[in-house]
Amino acid sequence: DAKTTQPPSMDCAEGRAANLPCNHSTISGNEYVYWYRQIHSQGPQYIIHGLKNNETNEMASLIITEDRKSSTLILPHATLRDTAVYYCIVRVLAAGNKLTFGGGTRVLVKP
Amino acid sequence: GAVVSQHPSRVICKSGTSVKIECRSLDFQATTMFWYRQFPKQSLMLMATSNEGSKATYEQGVEKDKFLINHASLTLSTLTVTSAHPEDSSFYICSARDRNVWAEAFFGQGTRLTVV
Repeated sequence: DAKTTQPPSMDCAEGRAANLPCNHSTISGNEYVYWYRQIHSQGPQYIIHGLKNNETNEMASLIITEDRKSSTLILPHATLRDTAVYYCIVRVLAAGNKLTFGGGTRVLVKP
Repeated sequence: GAVVSQHPSRVICKSGTSVKIECRSLDFQATTMFWYRQFPKQSLMLMATSNEGSKATYEQGVEKDKFLINHASLTLSTLTVTSAHPEDSSFYICSARDRNVWAEAFFGQGTRLTVV
């Protein structure tokens, strides 16, 4: 799996949009971009994934650049419960293919 | 989303004893399950991948005789930490994926192991 680069930490204000960047400059054409988050002392939670089109679900939006070398996860209205470590992962969509976690971004939502 | 249940959530054991952690997929059949270990303030590190009915594939540096993995059914995988030592104290997390190649992985709530 290609590696990703994320800022180690960021703060954001409650009620505001949180924009989390991720670089994946060596991504292959068949690799998807996945986002997970891990709230303290819990297992990771799936957020969203995409290949090249922008995606949106009830939790977040995923914006992937046209060259696919970077992406941004957007939490539209951050709440205190969104405080977590957010992981950006790229992987080939194949049965049994593992997820390899990097350092992630530690997001602190402040009142 | 799909539910993966991990048990126990916390366990304290004495050095030299063995501990078994269970991971169950509650509403789907998991042909593949993954076991991770996470030390404080670090990321998840993959230990092994297990496929139902076959031997687990261990990542480099993970002792297969110390971390025994069994995936005997499509809904249950177990990780046994044998002859545990204080350095094995960690947060162990399992993950399961449906047989559908398009499915995302779901994670258990983790097991905090403390070896004293």
